[in-house]
Amino acid sequence: AQTVTQSQPEMSVQEAETVTLSCTYDTSENNYYLFWYKQPPSRQMILVIRQEAYKQQNATENRFSVNFQKAAKSFSLKISDSQLGDTAMYFCAFPSQGGSEKLVFGKGTKLTVNP
Amino acid sequence: GAGVSQSPRYKVAKRGQDVALRCDPISGHVSLFWYQQALGQGPEFLTYFQNEAQLDKSGLPSDRFFAERPEGSVSTLKIQRTQQEDSAVYLCASSQFRGYEQFFGPGTRLTVL
Repeated sequence: AQTVTQSQPEMSVQEAETVTLSCTYDTSENNYYLFWYKQPPSRQMILVIRQEAYKQQNATENRFSVNFQKAAKSFSLKISDSQLGDTAMYFCAFPSQGGSEKLVFGKGTKLTVNP
Repeated sequence: GAGVSQSPRYKVAKRGQDVALRCDPISGHVSLFWYQQALGQGPEFLTYFQNEAQLDKSGLPSDRFFAERPEGSVSTLKIQRTQQEDSAVYLCASSQFRGYEQFFGPGTRLTVL
């Protein structure tokens, strides 16, 4: 079975600093996508960033970037210049094997940005 | 158009009651997903539709759970004879293409007393 592991249940960071959230996963597929989703306290899940496994270049989206290491099956999220609005649960996710589109999620990391 | 909408946002049911949760996906999105999210956990897959076809229902926890999408747009998740362990947030998501992001609704928080 495919698994996604987020080893940091909670993290905190000071406003304007940088924080990195870790994620490791297990798959036997070669081509796939990886996602980081953010879920603020209001509960609506929104996409933060998306990485295609066949691309060697790490994805970036404004203050958000990933460190994707395919061989190590590692997909960490770096948030630069942290803002109070970044406080949320962050989930790493990727599609299940076998052609299914369903996402397998990690247990999440609760990030708190302190003023 | 508008994002994914779900109704009701909150539902309280007595144990043994039947409930129906509705999802309106983004117009034109082919794929529709249902996930169950327990408190403090990541979402777990329940079932998936491509248009009106239910292609994967491997995550449904029991035969008390049933989902449909008869016209390939709106979907309903029905839970019969609710139990306390069914208490969770039920998330609906839709996507346009395989591998692209899934857009999530606000969820329905179900509490079974």
